[in-house]
Amino acid sequence: QKEVEQDPGPLSVPEGAIVSLNCTYSNSAFQYFMWYRQYSRKGPELLMYTYSSGNKEDGRFTAQVDKSSKYISLFIRDSQPSDSATYLCAMSANAGGTSYGKLTFGQGTILTVHP
Amino acid sequence: EAGVTQFPSHSVIEKGQTVTLRCDPISGHDNLYWYRRVMGKEIKFLLHFVKESKQDESGMPNNRFLAERTGGTYSTLKVQPAELEDSGVYFCASSPLRGQGTYEQYFGPGTRLTVT
Repeated sequence: QKEVEQDPGPLSVPEGAIVSLNCTYSNSAFQYFMWYRQYSRKGPELLMYTYSSGNKEDGRFTAQVDKSSKYISLFIRDSQPSDSATYLCAMSANAGGTSYGKLTFGQGTILTVHP
Repeated sequence: EAGVTQFPSHSVIEKGQTVTLRCDPISGHDNLYWYRRVMGKEIKFLLHFVKESKQDESGMPNNRFLAERTGGTYSTLKVQPAELEDSGVYFCASSPLRGQGTYEQYFGPGTRLTVT
């Protein structure tokens, strides 16, 4: 069983729609939860970061973490064609010391927002 | 500020040959990570340097892979001899030491390796 499960999609929505992306995980040691966005032929770029449980909002993006259910979500409001990309959830445990530790990724969800 | 750079962007080699990938992290970032994405799979961790020392190499698939980080600056990942299953996109990421800045790992554009 994978440590992080993410539906790869693809997901296609009309412009202006609310998009919901999610991941489940099995490792209870994960404490840092991230969403990365990756455009074609580019490296992943951090979108949202949450420590432990709770919600975080940044513009049109909202990240939610429910540690009791081992479930994280990313919501995109008023989606735009420029949001078309692969969205990757990533997590890390508290490694201590000088680093936050290695990232464990989900498979990524391919999102297309059509005009 | 320059981002993480990787060279080459794409490499096509034959099975049994040797390939060396290079990563230049963001200046001042002491943490350097290598990841790999095999087609159809998730991005997977390979190893982590803190300055010139290997902090965690638990993700290295086998002894055909050798990573080095000279003087705590750039890093190289050598695959020798390459096998078909080594094909994929190799990403490098860097971050500052904990407490010296953001937690964020900044990724390079990746090197696409094709072994034929």
